[in-house]
Amino acid sequence: QKEVEQNSGPLSVPEGAIASLNCTYSDRGSQSFFWYRQYSGKSPELIMFIYSNGDKEDGRFTAQLNKASQYVSLLIRDSQPSDSATYLCAVNDPGGYNKLIFGAGTRLAVHP
Amino acid sequence: ETGVTQSPTHLIKTRGQQVTLRCSSQSGHNTVSWYQQALGQGPQFIFQYYREEENGRGNFPPRFSGLQFPNYSSELNVNALELDDSALYLCASSLGGIGFPGELFFGEGSRLTVL
Repeated sequence: QKEVEQNSGPLSVPEGAIASLNCTYSDRGSQSFFWYRQYSGKSPELIMFIYSNGDKEDGRFTAQLNKASQYVSLLIRDSQPSDSATYLCAVNDPGGYNKLIFGAGTRLAVHP
Repeated sequence: ETGVTQSPTHLIKTRGQQVTLRCSSQSGHNTVSWYQQALGQGPQFIFQYYREEENGRGNFPPRFSGLQFPNYSSELNVNALELDDSALYLCASSLGGIGFPGELFFGEGSRLTVL
């Protein structure tokens, strides 16, 4: 059973702090790793993707990938109340087609 | 905005009925995937269509079926609805065969409630 594990939270951080979200995955064959943000009642929105080991930065967001440890993380710097949402980690299923395996998500709450 | 549109946005059905959900993919995208997201869970892969053929299926029973049309739009049909089918149904489009695996663009979803 291919799995993606996330801490369900809620993760509560003060405005302006760094939020750190973590994810582990079970299938070493996965090549693509994604972070989606999902506001309550809305569909997932892609915010970051990463394919290579190391860090990838995009504005206030940094994705980190460690394939040896099967670990992906997302850092959100200068957190804002508008960042309050559920963050879904997803990895591709290397079974041969464009399928993503999602974690259950981590709920982030940024308080003023 | 991803350019992926779904209809209807909300619907209520009773157990045993049938439902059809529709999706128009982003312009130029030839692959459509459907996901089911139950409350408090991550999306679960139902199946995928590439150039009008089913191209992969998740762990869902045969009463979940689909179609893709020549313009790459798609339908998800669910027969004999059960209470556990209540969920947000997400359509995602992508361009098969190009780019890294897995980059999907989601529509706003269809929220199905089964009573």
